[in-house]
Amino acid sequence: AQKITQTQPGMFVQEKEAVTLDCTYDTSDPSYGLFWYKQPSSGEMIFLIYQGSYDQQNATEGRYSLNFQKARKSANLVISASQLGDSAMYFCAMKAAGNKLTFGGGTRVLVKP
Amino acid sequence: DAEITQSPRHKITETGRQVTLACHQTWNHNNMFWYRQDLGHGLRLIHYSYGVHDTNKGEVSDGYSVSRSNTEDLPLTLESAASSQTSVYFCASSGSEFSGTPRNEQFFGPGTRLTVL
Repeated sequence: AQKITQTQPGMFVQEKEAVTLDCTYDTSDPSYGLFWYKQPSSGEMIFLIYQGSYDQQNATEGRYSLNFQKARKSANLVISASQLGDSAMYFCAMKAAGNKLTFGGGTRVLVKP
Repeated sequence: DAEITQSPRHKITETGRQVTLACHQTWNHNNMFWYRQDLGHGLRLIHYSYGVHDTNKGEVSDGYSVSRSNTEDLPLTLESAASSQTSVYFCASSGSEFSGTPRNEQFFGPGTRLTVL
């Protein structure tokens, strides 16, 4: 069975600074994918970034990058140059066979001006 | 533009009543999923479908059912609503596992906030 752990329930970050959100996972499948989704206060789920288990390079999407350490089973999200609009809940999720997702409990980020 | 919609967006019902939440997608996706979101638990999978007439139980399926009569819709039914089913419900869809990009991310609807009194 897959498991995702996000150990930071909430954190503050100063505007324009970088922030790292932790995510560790557990799976026995050799092939899997890791996602990060953003959920602003309006409630929708917004896809941010994806890392496949066989991808050689860490994924990047604009100000988002994924620090993928396969041996440590971690897939931390780095947000560079934080903006006020980055204040939201962030969820790490793992894709299993059949494209089903297992989510972590989320991390709430509040960006301070 | 393709989209995924849910209705109603908010629903208040009473214990014991049957409730159906609608989900409609125009992505022409084969895969559809229902999740519930509770504080401290992230999203948990209730039911999912890989195509017409296919349905499968997820992690927290007790008290819920789904049916898939066409590609676009996957309604979620609470047979006899309980207070423990007060939650926010998200529907999502994606392409088949081996179609499109390896990423094949799920696209989420806006959610339905259900309160069971």
